[in-house]
Amino acid sequence: GENVEQHPSTLSVQEGDSAVIKCTYSDSASNYFPWYKQELGKGPQLIIDIRSNVGEKKDQRIAVTLNKTAKHFSLHITETQPEDSAVYFCAAKETSYDKVIFGPGTSLSVIP
Amino acid sequence: DTGVSQNPRHKITKRGQNVTFRCDPISEHNRLYWYRQTLGQGPEFLTYFQNEAQLEKSRLLSDRFSAERPKGSFSTLEIQRTEQGDSAMYLCASSPGTHTGELFFGEGSRLTVL
Repeated sequence: GENVEQHPSTLSVQEGDSAVIKCTYSDSASNYFPWYKQELGKGPQLIIDIRSNVGEKKDQRIAVTLNKTAKHFSLHITETQPEDSAVYFCAAKETSYDKVIFGPGTSLSVIP
Repeated sequence: DTGVSQNPRHKITKRGQNVTFRCDPISEHNRLYWYRQTLGQGPEFLTYFQNEAQLEKSRLLSDRFSAERPKGSFSTLEIQRTEQGDSAMYLCASSPGTHTGELFFGEGSRLTVL
């Protein structure tokens, strides 16, 4: 089955700096890669996703890149703000199956 | 759209007791998922339903765990003879079942087994 790894486990950046979180996946059949943000006491919430037919996607300060050959994908947050502080999870899913497999998470702290 | 609702939000029980959690998905979402999350870890898939049919069950789900979704609406997750290792956050998510794949999570039900 699919296995998703994520690095780093914790990340601390100064406000205004960029943050990068990297993930790898094991199943070459996976073709959908969402990123979720989880704030304290809440359930994860989708912030951006990318499909395997696309190499990069951007939404305001957030961008994701995908390298299918290397089975790597990354989340980039620019101009970080204190409200970006949360735990971020990458995930992978194969279209023909309905379960999303999550990475272990990255705790991001943005220091004002 | 009131979002995914989970009850109870917190449950403290003694080892060996049975507990049941309820999830009310977003209306008209035909897919419903249960995940378990322990401290410092990502959500682990437990099981999912399409309408009332339970289509997949993780090996993590021992025979002490059972989930139902009668009539394809709300779902319940029951844990029998709880063990301390069952202590975790149990997350429910629903999805409209389109190709987007987005999961809408509830706030979770936290279980503490003493």
